[in-house]
Amino acid sequence: GDSVTQMEGPVTLSEEAFLTINCTYTATGYPSLFWYVQYPGEGLQLLLKATKADDKGSNKGFEATYRKETTSFHLEKGSVQVSDSAVYFCALIHTGNQFYFGTGTSLTVIP
Amino acid sequence: DTEVTQTPKHLVMGMTNKKSLKCEQHMGHRAMYWYKQKAKKPPELMFVYSYEKLSINESVPSRFSPECPNSSLLNLHLHALQPEDSALYLCASSQDGTSREQFFGPGTRLTVL
Repeated sequence: GDSVTQMEGPVTLSEEAFLTINCTYTATGYPSLFWYVQYPGEGLQLLLKATKADDKGSNKGFEATYRKETTSFHLEKGSVQVSDSAVYFCALIHTGNQFYFGTGTSLTVIP
Repeated sequence: DTEVTQTPKHLVMGMTNKKSLKCEQHMGHRAMYWYKQKAKKPPELMFVYSYEKLSINESVPSRFSPECPNSSLLNLHLHALQPEDSALYLCASSQDGTSREQFFGPGTRLTVL
């Protein structure tokens, strides 16, 4: 069945460091892929998405490229800020309307 | 309006109480969802309504009862809950429930005493 495997956390970085959070997926065909972010005490916000192979999603300095050959959708940001501290979820949706979420990666950015 | 709203923000209830959670969206979306999220875990799907009909029930105990009065509203009726039901309950909506992003509300933090 469909599934998402996400890098274990927690991740702690200094401000302005480079961020990578790994995400790989298992699915037949071509799922749509997403990164959601959850700030403390809040719901999930869509960060970026990609719906077909080689698509690059980007938002707020974050990027992720849909790599069919490696079944990956790694999240990157060149220079993190304290305000980026949150939990990040990789997710896929394929047929139907059921999301498959990764386990989440907690990011803490220290000044 | 690109927002999903949920009320109340916090709810504390005893095991014999009956309460309801409410979710509303005005984006014209035709699919709405209830999720349960425990601390440090991803959301777990509970129910999906598509075009106001229940399309997915993920084997949720009957003490949780969903209702979709119209295309903009989604309720979750709670009765005889257990302490282990304490969690963040998230509502989401999507355009038509087919391979599209879901928009989440801020959630209701439920504590069962």
